[in-house]
Amino acid sequence: DGGITQSPKYLFRKEGQNVTLSCEQNLNHDAMYWYRQDPGQGLRLIYYSQIVNDFQKGDIAEGYSVSREKKESFPLTVTSAQKNPTAFYLCASRLQGPNTGELFFGEGSRLTVL
Amino acid sequence: GNSVTQMEGPVTLSEEAFLTINCTYTATGYPSLFWYVQYPGEGLQLLLKATKADDKGSNKGFEATYRKETTSFHLEKGSVQVSDSAVYFCALSLNTGFQKLVFGTGTRLLVSP
Repeated sequence: DGGITQSPKYLFRKEGQNVTLSCEQNLNHDAMYWYRQDPGQGLRLIYYSQIVNDFQKGDIAEGYSVSREKKESFPLTVTSAQKNPTAFYLCASRLQGPNTGELFFGEGSRLTVL
Repeated sequence: GNSVTQMEGPVTLSEEAFLTINCTYTATGYPSLFWYVQYPGEGLQLLLKATKADDKGSNKGFEATYRKETTSFHLEKGSVQVSDSAVYFCALSLNTGFQKLVFGTGTRLLVSP
């Protein structure tokens, strides 16, 4: 079955540690995204990538980094510079092209900083 | 700028009640409009969409009509079920350039038996 796989589902981190969240898709989608979800704030875009080896900052990129070495994979690193990293992180992908607005989401990763 | 405004929740209904969740948007150009649903502990799933004015999106008994004159895309269902309890997100995507999606803040629906 095609889809997006995020791991881990739950992650605990001590302050000052970097963590990497995995996102893998087998949908052959060109574009991939990382969103952060906080209660009452909806989804905010962290980073996105339209093609391999290219990515752009979204609305709240500070304290995060990404890479796109393969079409299938778009890992997100939450660095110690992110001041409030506790949140639910969602990865998504989409075909490029006109009127292809549907995003396919993974099941999310919940990060808690202790 | 481009933005989506949804009614605040939670919306609490009894089973078989009529549902409306309001959504209005501000956009430069002519966006596509979407409703996504998020069940507890899961990611978002596309519920329905409309790509031009007067289009009606529908799925699983839910409907929404793209109203350009009122810049609205309200979600409706004639008879809700307990299994419809979830968070519903309205979103827009401009059909030019990168087509970034802009989400509303979400509306939680709670349906009791």
